[in-house]
Amino acid sequence: DIVMTQSPLSLPVTPGEPASISCRSSQSLQRSNGYKYLDWYLQKPGQSPQLLIYLGSNRASGVPDRFSGSGSGTDFTLKISRVEAEDVGVYYCKQSLQTPITFGQGTRLEIK
Amino acid sequence: QVQLVQSGAEVKKPGASVKVSCKSSGYTFTSYGINWVRQAPGQGLEWMGWISTYNGNTDYAPKLQGRVTMTTDTSANTAYMELRSLRSDDTAVYYCAREVDLLDGNWFDSWGQGTLVTVSS
Repeated sequence: DIVMTQSPLSLPVTPGEPASISCRSSQSLQRSNGYKYLDWYLQKPGQSPQLLIYLGSNRASGVPDRFSGSGSGTDFTLKISRVEAEDVGVYYCKQSLQTPITFGQGTRLEIK
Repeated sequence: QVQLVQSGAEVKKPGASVKVSCKSSGYTFTSYGINWVRQAPGQGLEWMGWISTYNGNTDYAPKLQGRVTMTTDTSANTAYMELRSLRSDDTAVYYCAREVDLLDGNWFDSWGQGTLVTVSS
């Protein structure tokens, strides 16, 4: 199984400041076609997860442009350019290169 | 709009079975696969498996193989997940999620509201 490791696990952020979450995989998530099989999800308190980023860097429909995904191979990053109060929750990365699909442990973003 | 509506909370005894439903609306059911993901209390997300709504093919997580069965009723636009021989560590919120399958990848663009399954004697 591909192991997904996120850091940090807890991220206190002041509103208006940037935030960055790292996700590392135990094997490359990039195929020869150039696509990166890594998604990001946000689970807000008391809600179901929601898709933020797919194929490493593509924002899902309706996701604000302050969210961006980058990276390649085994190292990926989710960045929030300016954190807002509504961004609170747990962020998960997920690989879809192969089954079993696996998620990172989650990063809890809180407002300072 | 796309909606996935799941069945209500369940309480089961150890050794029993549970069957959770996920009714889809707002899109062509057979054009998107359905994945099931669970989340134990205070824990992260765990993928359970996938079913093709087009032909019924399945792919289950190895740790659940033999205990889980995923099915669909295309006439009712509904997917089902049955888990047997329940144990206390199966206590979790179970989610269905619609899968977009493109470019050899898949991502979950719409999720059900979750169904809490409690296993307790």
